[in-house]
Amino acid sequence: GQQVMQIPQYQHVQEGEDFTTYCNSSTTLSNIQWYKQRPGGHPVFLIQLVKSGEVKKQKRLTFQFGEAKKNSSLHITATQTTDVGTYFCAGTGHSGTYKYIFGTGTRLKVLA
Amino acid sequence: SAVISQKPSRDICQRGTSLTIQCQVDSQVTMMFWYRQQPGQSLTLIATANQGSEATYESGFVIDKFPISRPNLTFSTLTVSNMSPEDSSIYLCSVEGQNYEQYFGPGTRLTVT
Repeated sequence: GQQVMQIPQYQHVQEGEDFTTYCNSSTTLSNIQWYKQRPGGHPVFLIQLVKSGEVKKQKRLTFQFGEAKKNSSLHITATQTTDVGTYFCAGTGHSGTYKYIFGTGTRLKVLA
Repeated sequence: SAVISQKPSRDICQRGTSLTIQCQVDSQVTMMFWYRQQPGQSLTLIATANQGSEATYESGFVIDKFPISRPNLTFSTLTVSNMSPEDSSIYLCSVEGQNYEQYFGPGTRLTVT
């Protein structure tokens, strides 16, 4: 079945450093979503990417969908302590469906 | 985005017992979802609950173990039956937005002793 892996599993950065998490699917995706889960909290939707090669930005966060639609990345510029949490990608192979497979997640710690 | 509440927020239960988790949404939604998240792990979809029809379960999850009710468009329950320590987890309900994004409830942290 479809698998969605993320690397790295954990990342510790100094505040102000950049951070990137990579999401790789075993199959071609129709679209991909990104979520953030703060410690002790629930996943919160960040963004959805649909088009091949699409790049979207939210302030210090840059999201990219690969040309082959099998991978994606989330890059945070100049991390802040508020960025702490686990970042999940979630992909689906079929458009218009709820069946998203969540990635393994990347846990980010930001050291002040 | 929808506002979702869950009850209870946490519980400690003895093995062999059952727990029913409630999920309430502040607006009418067609589809509601139940996920399990084991400590430090990703989210796994248990089932999808549509109002007026039986829930659709994912591979590895069965109705006898996780019966679900969906009596109306704002409410659903998930029961974890005949619990064992392996059922210790966080259980999350979610609803779908207009572009298939998901909005999650705060979760129910279950510990089975």
